[in-house]
Amino acid sequence: EAGVAQSPRYKIIEKRQSVAFWCNPISGHATLYWYQQILGQGPKLLIQFQNNGVVDDSQLPKDRFSAERLKGVDSTLKIQPAKLEDSAVYLCASSLRLAGMYNEQFFGPGTRLTVL
Amino acid sequence: SQQGEEDPQALSIQEGENATMNCSYKTSINNLQWYRQNSGRGLVHLILIRSNEREKHSGRLRVTLDTSKKSSSLLITASRAADTASYFCATDAMDSSYKLIFGSGTRLLVRP
Repeated sequence: EAGVAQSPRYKIIEKRQSVAFWCNPISGHATLYWYQQILGQGPKLLIQFQNNGVVDDSQLPKDRFSAERLKGVDSTLKIQPAKLEDSAVYLCASSLRLAGMYNEQFFGPGTRLTVL
Repeated sequence: SQQGEEDPQALSIQEGENATMNCSYKTSINNLQWYRQNSGRGLVHLILIRSNEREKHSGRLRVTLDTSKKSSSLLITASRAADTASYFCATDAMDSSYKLIFGSGTRLLVRP
């Protein structure tokens, strides 16, 4: 079965520029997650979708970050404008149902963002 | 904020030895999961243990859970160089989102 796909794999931008990441989850997975992983730390959840509805976005910096999941399948995460502290790996994951209900999450390879 | 905290932060062992990593968390949970992350395969789910379980095995992995102490341990037996990776515990938030909260990880180096 195909895994979670993400693009691009790497992105280098200057501060105050905009950037967008794309994620295609495993077919049939209702729940999609975006995480931010700063070097040396564990992944931090930014936003969680159930189908095309937002379940949790409490840690999403909404003044600069936005995400959507149109039609309940693939998703995009946007940063506008980027700051130096946004340099991180952005991971997308999906699960069949809500992860806490004894579901494992399947992760994509991530997008490594460098903000100069 | 991070719910789970792994200990030690880094561990270096010889191939064939056992590796033990610990995770402590703060609030009640439904389940605790362990994930592995390396440069080759990204972040991969290893094992899930429910709050009413005390021990679980999967191949060379053994996970224990002590809800009274709010702690878990991951044991990798007969380690291999390919086990070199970062290991994270993740606990679920007992709210309607059931989101996972990851710890900061243990970096394991298995020397050949």
